[in-house]
Amino acid sequence: NAGVTQTPKFQVLKTGQSMTLQCAQDMNHEYMSWYRQDPGMGLRLIHYSVGAGITDQGEVPNGYNVSRSTTEDFPLRLLSAAPSQTSVYFCASSLGLTANYGYTFGSGTRLTVV
Amino acid sequence: GQQVMQIPQYQHVQEGEDFTTYCNSSTTLSNIQWYKQRPGGHPVFLIQLVKSGEVKKQKRLTFQFGEAKKNSSLHITATQTTDVGTYFCAGPHGGGTSYGKLTFGQGTILTVHP
Repeated sequence: NAGVTQTPKFQVLKTGQSMTLQCAQDMNHEYMSWYRQDPGMGLRLIHYSVGAGITDQGEVPNGYNVSRSTTEDFPLRLLSAAPSQTSVYFCASSLGLTANYGYTFGSGTRLTVV
Repeated sequence: GQQVMQIPQYQHVQEGEDFTTYCNSSTTLSNIQWYKQRPGGHPVFLIQLVKSGEVKKQKRLTFQFGEAKKNSSLHITATQTTDVGTYFCAGPHGGGTSYGKLTFGQGTILTVHP
């Protein structure tokens, strides 16, 4: 099992550009989420999904879109990059309600918007 | 909306000293999870607490869930340099049973001086 795979690991964008951060998991997890991590602000939920075809907004969804066409993949799209979106982005997945089974995180994508 | 507050933000200890971080929610939580993130790494799931007043131990780590299910703590006995990192608590967003929407505290950064 590869776990949760995020690509790319690093990315530099110019303001106004769009891009897609890829996330794939091979554990047959129903729950998947995207977080951004900024210094001193912990992890903030952008979007999440409880299964293929089902997505919902988290705490900071503006400027981001997601889709979940398969159980395995949960890409995050930046529509028009802004410097405020400079951050480290983590994708995570989980089986769900099973006791003592939390989220497995990918290794992250470090995004810089100039 | 729900907020999960974590204190302290930073903790510096000498190796062998004990360490505690506290997590408080503005609403009752159905469960609370704890994660550890090593410097430069991604969050790793440690444990989930579900029951009121629950106490769980993992070697030198002790996790508690408050009777009112609005607060939690993580205590490390006799810290080691391998304990260095940021410790996060996380609870379901909105205080309900929506497992997919985890809200993270800001984290406590632990440094251990040998």
